Amino acid sequence: ETGVTQTPRHLVMGMTNKKSLKCEQHLGHNAMYWYKQSAKKPLELMFVYSLEERVENNSVPSRFSPECPNSSHLFLHLHTLQPEDSALYLCASSPVSSGRGEQFFGPGTRLTVL
Amino acid sequence: AQTVTQSQPEMSVQEAETVTLSCTYDTSESDYYLFWYKQPPSRQMILVIRQEAYKQQNATENRFSVNFQKAAKSFSLKISDSQLGDAAMYFCAYRSRQGGSEKLVFGKGTKLTVNP
Repeated sequence: ETGVTQTPRHLVMGMTNKKSLKCEQHLGHNAMYWYKQSAKKPLELMFVYSLEERVENNSVPSRFSPECPNSSHLFLHLHTLQPEDSALYLCASSPVSSGRGEQFFGPGTRLTVL
Repeated sequence: AQTVTQSQPEMSVQEAETVTLSCTYDTSESDYYLFWYKQPPSRQMILVIRQEAYKQQNATENRFSVNFQKAAKSFSLKISDSQLGDAAMYFCAYRSRQGGSEKLVFGKGTKLTVNP
């Protein structure tokens, strides 16, 4: 596979469930990101990892827990979610020092919380 | 804080015609990047075009070009010879070059419909 992949593509979970979203990038990048995309709202940056260290956490509730075990993989662990957490969750990656600035996105995981 | 505004929630264009999508942004920085991303229905967000603020020349990529007005903080996207495959959400985004920040700030998006 090439580019940025995300699994699962669709997830339905109850408020008491625990699940994890997975992101993998095959681009040799060393920065990875989680975004939340809700209807009628701009993409919201949730977490940034650069060189496997978390460098930004935009006041995200603790029911979202990221993990970056290496530069190619990023997880978002979910527990005790609320219905308003239903959204498209996008993963992205970029090279830290390329100077080009753009990020490359995965296809997203469509999350529905019942 | 940087903000990005897309004032057109929806736009439509006839196939083969030209359409311009608007974007304005607010920043106190002098050096930064600007991007337009395209997100087709149920498909991956992809980069359409990028502009570095220090470059005066407007970026072009085939049928896509930008009108970058730095003083006005305006960054519009022009799509020429529109095709059915251009139908998508288009997002304008800003990225700072300062302080090692990797953060992209996005606008709310413009939904483009292409009519045959």
